[in-house]
Amino acid sequence: GGIITQTPKFLIGQEGQKLTLKCQQNFNHDTMYWYRQDSGKGLRLIYYSITENDLQKGDLSEGYDASREKKSSFSLTVTSAQKNEMAVFLCASSMTGGAWEQYFGPGTRLTVL
Amino acid sequence: QQKVQQSPESLSVPEGGMASLNCTSSDRNFQYFWWYRQHSGEGPKALMSIFSDGDKKEGRFTAHLNKASLHVSLHIRDSQPSDSALYFCAARDSGTYQRFGTGTKLQVVP
Repeated sequence: GGIITQTPKFLIGQEGQKLTLKCQQNFNHDTMYWYRQDSGKGLRLIYYSITENDLQKGDLSEGYDASREKKSSFSLTVTSAQKNEMAVFLCASSMTGGAWEQYFGPGTRLTVL
Repeated sequence: QQKVQQSPESLSVPEGGMASLNCTSSDRNFQYFWWYRQHSGEGPKALMSIFSDGDKKEGRFTAHLNKASLHVSLHIRDSQPSDSALYFCAARDSGTYQRFGTGTKLQVVP
């Protein structure tokens, strides 16, 4: 089986700061995703990528940048952290196509002071 | 507009009881449906998929899909405390990406 690793596990930033979250997968999946989850609520898609150097905006891309440097890694940047922002950012990967499930990492918990 | 709605928002069942979770989508192009489970402090994990109308059973879990009414449900029999988690329905058409529902928080009380 494979695994998705997210770093860091916890991230504390200051208002206005640029913050980067990283994700690695060894499933050899083509498609990778970044989601935001607020306090035990639903998942909102920020960006996804169907192959290296590809980027597709999700429903919540404003305020974020992403980078798919290679097939196994996908980074997310919060361009300007908002004060009192608290959320968990989840990375996922899947095979490309409609019928495949997604595999999720454990998440990065962001707190902005 | 949320394309995938779940109900109830939260649910409490006694240990050994039956839990029933519901999901309704607003897009007739959705062809593929999943249920995911998320325990506290972890990422979601896929429980089961269903792509055809009717029932699909995997152990204590049964999913039911009715594409005409855009409705999918998950039934958990003999619920265990370890089933306490956040459950998500997800739906997808042939392109784009999975749309996740709003989630149902299930608590199984010993």
